[in-house]
Amino acid sequence: EIVLTQSPGTLSLSPGERATLSCRASQSVSSSYLAWYQQKPGQAPRLLIYGASSRATGIPDRFSGSGSGTDFTLTISRLEPEDFAVYYCQQYDSSYTFGQGTKLEIK
Amino acid sequence: QVQLQESGPGLVKPSETLSLTCTVSGGSVSSGTYYWSWIRQPPGKGLEWIGNIYFIGSTKYNPSLKSRVTISVDMSKNQFSLKLRSVTAADTAVYYCASAFYGDPHFVYWGQGTLVTVSS
Repeated sequence: EIVLTQSPGTLSLSPGERATLSCRASQSVSSSYLAWYQQKPGQAPRLLIYGASSRATGIPDRFSGSGSGTDFTLTISRLEPEDFAVYYCQQYDSSYTFGQGTKLEIK
Repeated sequence: QVQLQESGPGLVKPSETLSLTCTVSGGSVSSGTYYWSWIRQPPGKGLEWIGNIYFIGSTKYNPSLKSRVTISVDMSKNQFSLKLRSVTAADTAVYYCASAFYGDPHFVYWGQGTLVTVSS
């Protein structure tokens, strides 16, 4: 099973700043099979990025994904108040696994 | 746009079977367009994929849960279901149903989730 490790566990930033979230895999992941989700309290996760770098429908262009192999990054270029949430990466090889999440909080 | 809605008991006794149903609208469980999945999230923790089913009845399960899980489809009701046997307190979680497009390994549509507590 591929284990995904996200860092940092918590990221404290202010609106307008740039956020960089990391997802590292225990072994190489196909870029086609790496996705990112946003989850707000009491809500289901929402797909942000799939195929490592493609934005899902309706996702603002301040969200971008990059990376390959074992290292992937989610970048939010200019934080809006509604972006403060928990972010998860997810991969698929023979099974689906999620990272443990990064909490993005207001500084 | 597909919409998903979980339903089922919110409280299950230890050693019993957890049973949940996901009702699909805006799409058909009998089409080949989607995989239908269950994902859970213990309180305050991360996400765990439980398994999925394709309309022809083929299933895939998380190896860590495989011995206790059954996912099935009811095409007449446009629903799919989860059964998790021999539950313990560790199975307490919010259970989500979700769907992925066939051939795409990410979850596009999610239900709102339902909390299931395992307690006597």
